[in-house]
Amino acid sequence: QKEVEQDPGPLSVPEGAIVSLNCTYSNSAFQYFMWYRQYSRKGPELLMYTYSSGNKEDGRFTAQVDKSSKYISLFIRDSQPSDSATYLCACAYSGAGSYQLTFGKGTKLSVIP
Amino acid sequence: DAGVIQSPRHEVTEMGQEVTLRCKPISGHNSLFWYRQTMMRGLELLIYFNNNVPIDDSGMPEDRFSAKMPNASFSTLKIQPSEPRDSAVYFCASSFREWNTEAFFGQGTRLTVV
Repeated sequence: QKEVEQDPGPLSVPEGAIVSLNCTYSNSAFQYFMWYRQYSRKGPELLMYTYSSGNKEDGRFTAQVDKSSKYISLFIRDSQPSDSATYLCACAYSGAGSYQLTFGKGTKLSVIP
Repeated sequence: DAGVIQSPRHEVTEMGQEVTLRCKPISGHNSLFWYRQTMMRGLELLIYFNNNVPIDDSGMPEDRFSAKMPNASFSTLKIQPSEPRDSAVYFCASSFREWNTEAFFGQGTRLTVV
């Protein structure tokens, strides 16, 4: 079992829909949780970052972390065609002089006008 | 700032040849990461440097892979000899601190080994 599991999709929604993207993880040591967005043939870019459990909102995007169930989510409200990209969740911990960052495989999202 | 700069953008090489990928991190960032991305395995961390020193290379797949960071503004990832299964997109990323919660990725190098 991979440490971070993510449904690869693809996911196709109409413009204006609410999108829900999810990941599960198995390593309880993870402390930091991130969502990256990757457009075709580009590098990933950080979209949202949260520490421990809770919600974080940034415009149309909301990230949720539930450490008790090892579940992380990204919600996109009023989705736009420009949101079409691959979304990667990532989990990280640091300790003992090292650092571990693990990505999910990514979910490909298409927002249809 | 121009962001993280990688070169070349595309590389096609024959099996057995040496391949060198290059990265220039964002000025002032003290951590640098090399990742490999494939459809099958997703994005995998190969190695990361902190203040030019390799901290964790446990993700490097084999001895054929090596990485160096001779100074704060340059890093290389070398594959010698290359094999078809090394075909992937290789990304370099940099951040202000080791816990790369705010890592900035380059555009990647698409490597094809035939």
